[in-house]
Amino acid sequence: QVQLVQSGAEVKKPGASVKLSCKASGYSFSTYTIEWVRQAPGQRPEWMGWINPGNGNTRYSQKFHGRVTITKDTSANTAHLDLSNLKSEDTAIYYCARTFGERYFDSWGQGTLVTVSS
Amino acid sequence: DIVMTQSPDSLAVSLGERASINCQSSQSVLYSSNNKNYLAWYQQKPGQPPKLLIYWASTRESGVPDRFSGSGSGTDFTLTISSLQAEDVAIYYCQQYYGTPTFGQGTKVEIK
Repeated sequence: QVQLVQSGAEVKKPGASVKLSCKASGYSFSTYTIEWVRQAPGQRPEWMGWINPGNGNTRYSQKFHGRVTITKDTSANTAHLDLSNLKSEDTAIYYCARTFGERYFDSWGQGTLVTVSS
Repeated sequence: DIVMTQSPDSLAVSLGERASINCQSSQSVLYSSNNKNYLAWYQQKPGQPPKLLIYWASTRESGVPDRFSGSGSGTDFTLTISSLQAEDVAIYYCQQYYGTPTFGQGTKVEIK
């Protein structure tokens, strides 16, 4: 079955960077886009960006002003999210999710809690 | 970005009764060339990621019980749970994918 398994929780100080991973299994990794969505406590989900594992194309939300980088390791069926210059408002659960063509998310990872605190 | 607004923010419904959640988009999410509404619904239970219920405004995802249905077009949409079950207690989100994906603020469904 389709699975997206994410890396463990992180605690970071303001100004630091964090790199999260999302390992896919149960389907052809190159066929589906991997998207990253975050959800701050009690808030609605917020889209951050995507990568097409087939060709490496990426697109990011303008909200993050260049702080987000999404990469992939096709040999490991894994996508990564890098978020730099962390702020306290980046404290959230970060999810990876899968899309195919149209941008509704049919499978999700379990989420990674990132806490930013001095 | 398209702003999604849901109503109500929360509702309490008796077991076996109908629950309806509304979602309004700040601009139409109906794509005229294919006559499809780019609107999805998700269910999120505590400590879990969102789960896709409905896409194209009214197409039920595989495995989703048929008591869940979606309707609407353009800017106004509704998710209906025809007969509320205890396991349906959750927060429900609408999401548009006409443009950069955006979500509604969520509607919390509880048992009365």
